[in-house]
Amino acid sequence: NAGVTQTPKFRVLKTGQSMTLLCAQDMNHEYMYWYRQDPGMGLRLIHYSVGEGTTAKGEVPDGYNVSRLKKQNFLLGLESAAPSQTSVYFCASSLASYGTDTQYFGPGTRLTVL
Amino acid sequence: TQLLEQSPQFLSIQEGENLTVYCNSSSVFSSLQWYRQEPGEGPVLLVTVVTGGEVKKLKRLTFQFGDARKDSSLHITAAQPGDTGLYLCAGGWRTNAGKSTFGDGTTLTVKP
Repeated sequence: NAGVTQTPKFRVLKTGQSMTLLCAQDMNHEYMYWYRQDPGMGLRLIHYSVGEGTTAKGEVPDGYNVSRLKKQNFLLGLESAAPSQTSVYFCASSLASYGTDTQYFGPGTRLTVL
Repeated sequence: TQLLEQSPQFLSIQEGENLTVYCNSSSVFSSLQWYRQEPGEGPVLLVTVVTGGEVKKLKRLTFQFGDARKDSSLHITAAQPGDTGLYLCAGGWRTNAGKSTFGDGTTLTVKP
């Protein structure tokens, strides 16, 4: 099993450009999450999904969109990148979630917006 | 507003020393998880505690959930360089499925 994979691993964008980050999991998990991690600020939840075809906003959703067309994939889109979106982005998945389930994280995508 | 406050933010110790890191909140959680993250990688779950007053041991690591389920501590005995990393706590709620909140983390460095 590959677990949770993220594509790409690194990316540099110019302000105003758009991009999509892809997350894939092969564990048949219902729940998927997108976080951003900035120095000294831990992980902040951007959007999450409780199942195929559903998405919901997290703590910091502005400037991002997501889609979960297939159970195994969760896409994070930046329509018009801004320097404030420079961060490390982590995708995670869990079997279910009542706040007690293990979240399995991908290796991260390092995004720089110039 | 940060729901989970972790302290200390940074900790640098010598191999063999003991240490405790804390995770505090004014909110009550259904569960509290501790993750460890190494540079360049995603966090990996160490433990989940769900009962107030619960104590779990994982080799040299001891985790405790406060009686009121608002706080937690992680104690490491005889720290080793391999314990170096970022320790994150995360709180979850049964009534808010799909969401949990993370603290800012404690960066631990264990020097040989």
